[in-house]
Amino acid sequence: EDQVTQSPEALRLQEGESSSLNCSYTVSGLRGLFWYRQDPGKGPEFLFTLYSAGEEKEKERLKATLTKKESFLHITAPKPEDSATYLCAVQAGGGSNYKLTFGKGTLLTVNP
Amino acid sequence: KAGVTQTPRYLIKTRGQQVTLSCSPISGHRSVSWYQQTPGQGLQFLFEYFSETQRNKGNFPGRFSGRQFSNSRSEMNVSTLELGDSALYLCASSLFGGPGETQYFGPGTRLLVL
Repeated sequence: EDQVTQSPEALRLQEGESSSLNCSYTVSGLRGLFWYRQDPGKGPEFLFTLYSAGEEKEKERLKATLTKKESFLHITAPKPEDSATYLCAVQAGGGSNYKLTFGKGTLLTVNP
Repeated sequence: KAGVTQTPRYLIKTRGQQVTLSCSPISGHRSVSWYQQTPGQGLQFLFEYFSETQRNKGNFPGRFSGRQFSNSRSEMNVSTLELGDSALYLCASSLFGGPGETQYFGPGTRLLVL
């Protein structure tokens, strides 16, 4: 069974204080690893897809990286508007079953 | 392009009732997946529809069902509601539901069962 573990559960940063969020996974046949951002009361907003170990993607202050067992979401000089829950999901398997398995998320709070 | 839309946004029901939720995918997307999100369990996969057929199903009881129409719009039904069904129900769409495809989520329907 696919498993995704995110750490820490919650992270509080000062504005400008860089940090990283971790997503560890155990799957058979990774097809993609996805990062989403979710604001309270809203649906997850897509950020990145990573497909193979060594791959990196960047968007503004966010950078996602992937190894064979985990992914990191690096946040550089965060701003208060980066406060949200960050979700990691993996897609694995074959046939026609490509459902997403999600971690519980990391609640990020950035204080001004 | 318009995003994924879900209606209604909020619902209050009592135990034993049934409820139907609706999802309109992004134009051109043919795969629709449904997820349940609760504080304790996080996001859990309910089922996926493609070309009007349920292609995959998660570990939920038979009270949870769905369907998809020829225009790819999808509905989800929960019968005999229980208190534990209170959750945010999210719908996501993708082109074909294939490997590596990004799923785009709607805003969700918040269901409260009293």
